[in-house]
Amino acid sequence: AQSVTQLDSQVPVFEEAPVELRCNYSSSVSVYLFWYVQYPNQGLQLLLKYLSGSTLVKGINGFEAEFNKSQTSFHLRKPSVHISDTAEYFCAVSDIQGAQKLVFGQGTRLTINP
Amino acid sequence: NAGVTQTPKFQVLKTGQSMTLQCAQDMNHEYMSWYRQDPGMGLRLIHYSVGAGITDQGEVPNGYNVSRSTTEDFPLRLLSAAPSQTSVYFCASSYPEGINTGELFFGEGSRLTVL
Repeated sequence: AQSVTQLDSQVPVFEEAPVELRCNYSSSVSVYLFWYVQYPNQGLQLLLKYLSGSTLVKGINGFEAEFNKSQTSFHLRKPSVHISDTAEYFCAVSDIQGAQKLVFGQGTRLTINP
Repeated sequence: NAGVTQTPKFQVLKTGQSMTLQCAQDMNHEYMSWYRQDPGMGLRLIHYSVGAGITDQGEVPNGYNVSRSTTEDFPLRLLSAAPSQTSVYFCASSYPEGINTGELFFGEGSRLTVL
């Protein structure tokens, strides 16, 4: 079985500052990794995903994440955040059999201060 | 283009009452699922379906029933509501290639309070 740990429940940053949201996973098999974003009062939407190949993955809205197999991490980064990035971010993992049982982390609430 | 539609958006129940959360999608997705979201616990999978007539349990299935008679609809039934089922419920769907790559399409959620 897989599990996901998001190391920070809340991350406050100032507008235009860089941000990193941390995610570690545990699995005995090969995995796919994902970041989803949930804006206030909305459902989740896929931000980016790692399936195979390049360990640096680029997603929507200027976000990127790096898969580090040796450290079992998949941290999300953005070099300069905007007020509109205020949301909750979820890291998720599935085994390579598919996402029928996508496992989510606890979520990180990103708050952007002007 | 409605996507995934959940009803109702808000519901208050008394302990022991039953109700059904509705989920409908108009994207002809074979895969549908129900998650619950609780503070500090992320999303946890309740039940899922890979096609009409096929359902399976997720991580937290107890107290919930599902059925899948059509591709479009995937209702979630609470037979006897308990305060522990107070949560925000999300329905999600996907297509075969999306399932293989983890791309889920979520509804806007249904907030349920059980008193």
